[in-house]
Formats: sequence, structure tokens, C-alpha cells
Amino acid sequence: DARVTQTPRHKVTEMGQEVTMRCQPILGHNTVFWYRQTMMQGLELLAYFRNRAPLDDSGMPKDRFSAEMPDATLATLKIQPSEPRDSAVYFCASGRGRETQYFGPGTRLLVL
Amino acid sequence: GESVGLHLPTLSVQEGDNSIINCAYSNSASDYFIWYKQESGKGPQFIIDIRSNMDKRQGQRVTVLLNKTVKHLSLQIAATQPGDSAVYFCAESVTSGTYKYIFGTGTRLKVLA
Repeated sequence: DARVTQTPRHKVTEMGQEVTMRCQPILGHNTVFWYRQTMMQGLELLAYFRNRAPLDDSGMPKDRFSAEMPDATLATLKIQPSEPRDSAVYFCASGRGRETQYFGPGTRLLVL
Repeated sequence: GESVGLHLPTLSVQEGDNSIINCAYSNSASDYFIWYKQESGKGPQFIIDIRSNMDKRQGQRVTVLLNKTVKHLSLQIAATQPGDSAVYFCAESVTSGTYKYIFGTGTRLKVLA
């Protein structure tokens, strides 16, 4: 049963600290998406990749957020410096091309 | 102060009854539609999808209906069970365009024992 995995599952940090979230997409999937979910905004698309190349990161605050895919089995989302308003659940999803996106369990981030 | 968040519509259904969750989509060019279920503390889970060349698709206990004329999508759950309690999201996409999904705000389903 192939699944998207995300680490860490929970993260509590202090304002100003760097946060790195990791995602392992389903083997064979070539599109990877990063979403943020909050009570206020719902599910927001931050960035996505196809064949490891970033296609769109317009949903991401550029000054503090960065997303990369060092290889086909790892996607990272980094926040530096983190702020309390970044507190949210961050989801990674993967898919084959434009087919169904499958979501990971999420990283619950709390920035104090 | 009082916090303001997304107000999710809620559907309360007796256990064993059928549930119908509705979704209005926005883009007449959308040709692929998906329903996700999100349980508390978990990621959205794929339930069923449908392409625009179909108007009905059935899965196990679930049926998705698509009405392109009025841009409406519905998810029917037969014999609703307590484990069906969750937030349900519809999503739409244009498969010839970007890879983005447009998600609805979601509907909370509460199953009453």
C-alpha cells in the first residue's frame, strides 16, 4: 500500500528558528505538491514540482519559504525564519502527471 | 478576541441513512473532479473521481454524480456509518491546463448513532 510519507509529524519551534519539513512521494509519481491548511484559509497550494522541476511557487511567501526536490524521493519545504503566523498543517501530495493527487499525513507546525 | 475561521457547512445524518454532499464548482472548463475525505488529524484521503465525459460513477458505498450544465457535483454515501464522520472536499481541475486543483471549502459530515 504505497503512501506519501512526511516528517516530522509534529514540530514546535520558537519564532525565528528554521523549520524543515520533508516528504517522500509515492514511488513512480512525478508531481509533488505542498499545501498549507489553516482554519482561516482552508487548503492553500504553496508550490508544486513536475519531474523535480518547480512549476509554480506563487502561493509561497518568497522571502522566508523555499521548496526543493533534491531527488525524486525527497521534497523539502523550508521556512527561515519562522513566524507564529506560519503555524498550520503542511501537507505534501504526489501524483502521476495530472492524475489524482495523494496526500501525506501532514506536518503540524506550531511556532511560538 | 473571538477567532473567526472557515464556517464549514455541516450535514448530520442518522447511522444507516444515505448521505448526499453537494459541491458547486467554478470553472466550466474543468474536466476532472475528485472527492476527498479528511478525518480529524489526518490528511485528505482520495475517495472517488470522475471525468467530465461521465455523469455518474460508483465505488464501494459511494456514488459521484456530475451535472455539467449547472456545474454541480455530489457525493452519495450509502448506509452511512460512524466511520464516515469527516470533512469532505471536492476538487476540480483542468487536465489540459496546469496541475492545480481547486478545492472547495468542505462539508462536515456528522453521523448520529
